[in-house]
Amino acid sequence: GDSVTQMEGPVTLSEEAFLTINCTYTATGYPSLFWYVQYPGEGLQLLLKATKADDKGSNKGFEATYRKETTSFHLEKGSVQVSDSAVYFCALSDRKGFQKLVFGTGTRLLVSP
Amino acid sequence: NAGVTQTPKFQVLKTGQSMTLQCAQDMNHEYMSWYRQDPGMGLRLIHYSVGAGITDQGEVPNGYNVSRSTTEDFPLRLLSAAPSQTSVYFCASGRGQSTGELFFGEGSRLTVL
Repeated sequence: GDSVTQMEGPVTLSEEAFLTINCTYTATGYPSLFWYVQYPGEGLQLLLKATKADDKGSNKGFEATYRKETTSFHLEKGSVQVSDSAVYFCALSDRKGFQKLVFGTGTRLLVSP
Repeated sequence: NAGVTQTPKFQVLKTGQSMTLQCAQDMNHEYMSWYRQDPGMGLRLIHYSVGAGITDQGEVPNGYNVSRSTTEDFPLRLLSAAPSQTSVYFCASGRGQSTGELFFGEGSRLTVL
């Protein structure tokens, strides 16, 4: 079945450092890809998405590019802030018309001042 | 606009007890789902519904029942709680005809002793 693999955390960075969180996927067909973020004590919320190969999703300074040839969707940010500390989930959904998302295990990001 | 509302936020049960986790959304979303979140395992889909009167099983449905009598509500029932059901439960909703964003509730933390 479909699956998502994320790098294990926690990822610990200093403020203004460059962030990369790796995500690779296995799926039949052409899934849509997502990054969700979970701040402490809250539910998940959509950060960005890409629906076809070579699409780049972006939001709040975060970016990720849908790479079909490497089945990857790595999350990047050029300069992280303390407020970016959260758990980040990579996810995919198939194209059958509903939101049955398959999530990765999540990567915790800790940003220190 | 309340979004997705889950109750209760915290619950402690004894093995064998039953309870219902409530979920309501006010966005007229066709799709609703329940996930459980466990350390090191990310989010796993329990049950989902693509509209009133229609439900289906996800990845980990055993021990849980659902029903969807209205568009707004999607309760999750534990008929005989087990310690393995100790987890954080998230309800999520989304529009029915496109893959894309899910809107999550704040979660319900359940402990089964």
